[in-house]
Amino acid sequence: GNSVTQMEGPVTLSEEAFLTINCTYTATGYPSLFWYVQYPGEGLQLLLKATKADDKGSNKGFEATYRKETTSFHLEKGSVQVSDSAVYFCALSRDTGNQFYFGTGTSLTVIP
Amino acid sequence: KAGVTQTPRYLIKTRGQQVTLSCSPISGHRSVSWYQQTPGQGLQFLFEYFSETQRNKGNFPGRFSGRQFSNSRSEMNVSTLELGDSALYLCASRRDQNYEQYFGPGTRLTVT
Repeated sequence: GNSVTQMEGPVTLSEEAFLTINCTYTATGYPSLFWYVQYPGEGLQLLLKATKADDKGSNKGFEATYRKETTSFHLEKGSVQVSDSAVYFCALSRDTGNQFYFGTGTSLTVIP
Repeated sequence: KAGVTQTPRYLIKTRGQQVTLSCSPISGHRSVSWYQQTPGQGLQFLFEYFSETQRNKGNFPGRFSGRQFSNSRSEMNVSTLELGDSALYLCASRRDQNYEQYFGPGTRLTVT
């Protein structure tokens, strides 16, 4: 079946620290991979995506590389800001794009 | 362009009752998906509607149902509410498959 596993939170970092949130997946076919972010009281927003192996998605200083050999899509940012505090979700969609599978989310708090 | 709107934002119901949630997609989007978000299970896919037809369905009991109208607005109904139905229900719209999903802010349902 299809599933996403991401690291448990919560994660607390100081401003300007390096961020990694691990995500691994199980999927049939050739899924597309996504990172979504959810700020308090809001819905999810697409942060970045990658649609094939070795693709790197990037946005707002965040990056993630689609690694088929390790079935991973880890989220990284070199220097986090207080405004990055949110819940981050890793997700995949099957190659038809019909259905999305989400991880359980990782809460990030960045302190000044 | 207006985003995805969901009404109501908050709802309190009693066990055994039924509830209807509403979602208005972004103009021009014909696909609407519903998700249940809980702390324990994360985001789980309920169903997707496209052009008034259910196109995909997750693993939820028949108490959960939905429909889509000709203007693409969608409603979700939960009958015979259980305590475990307490969750944030998120709606997402997109033009069609392989396009980005846009999420609404959600409806917070509490069952007492």
